[in-house]
Amino acid sequence: EPEVTQTPSHQVTQMGQEVILRCVPISNHLYFYWYRQILGQKVEFLVSFYNNEISEKSEIFDDQFSVERPDGSNFTLKIRSTKLEDSAMYFCASSARRGANEKLFFGSGTQLSVL
Amino acid sequence: DQQVKQNSPSLSVQEGRISILNCDYTNSMFDYFLWYKKYPAEGPTFLISISSIKDKNEDGRFTVFLNKSAKHLSLHIVPSQPGDSAVYFCAARGSGAGSYQLTFGKGTKLSVIP
Repeated sequence: EPEVTQTPSHQVTQMGQEVILRCVPISNHLYFYWYRQILGQKVEFLVSFYNNEISEKSEIFDDQFSVERPDGSNFTLKIRSTKLEDSAMYFCASSARRGANEKLFFGSGTQLSVL
Repeated sequence: DQQVKQNSPSLSVQEGRISILNCDYTNSMFDYFLWYKKYPAEGPTFLISISSIKDKNEDGRFTVFLNKSAKHLSLHIVPSQPGDSAVYFCAARGSGAGSYQLTFGKGTKLSVIP
């Protein structure tokens, strides 16, 4: 069964450093998302991406965050200058279509630890 | 801001019995609801969904019930199996144009005891 692949599974970085989290969505999917889950809290929406542009973003997704689809397969989340509170599990997700009955497929996540 | 609430952080059920997981929401603009299951070290896996025009959707051992007037939905698992032990997330999506983000609850950890 096709799956969303995320790398790395764990990322440790120093506060203020830039990190790039990578995702390979399911190949025929068109809609891409990033969510995150801070330990002990709920899964939160960050951003959605379609047709090479952001279609929706949350308040969390400020100027320190950016997303890119640099080629036909990868979808990346960049945090320019990490903060301690960015420590979380980051999930990439993709779907084949929008609208009624949209079904998101999630990757296994990247655990980001900011020290 | 808890637009989607799962008030039970955990639930234990005997194998073979029914598991009932509950979810309440406050935003009347939500029109599509989903349940996801999550095992440790894995991402959430889609389980079942329901549109606001329905009050029940069934898929094998899983049934989701929606009570719009009460802003309440529940997931029934019958019969429960040890492999169902996981964290279950309720999620909802709004009907606003261009809004496809999911709002999640905090999850309920289900333990099915053999």
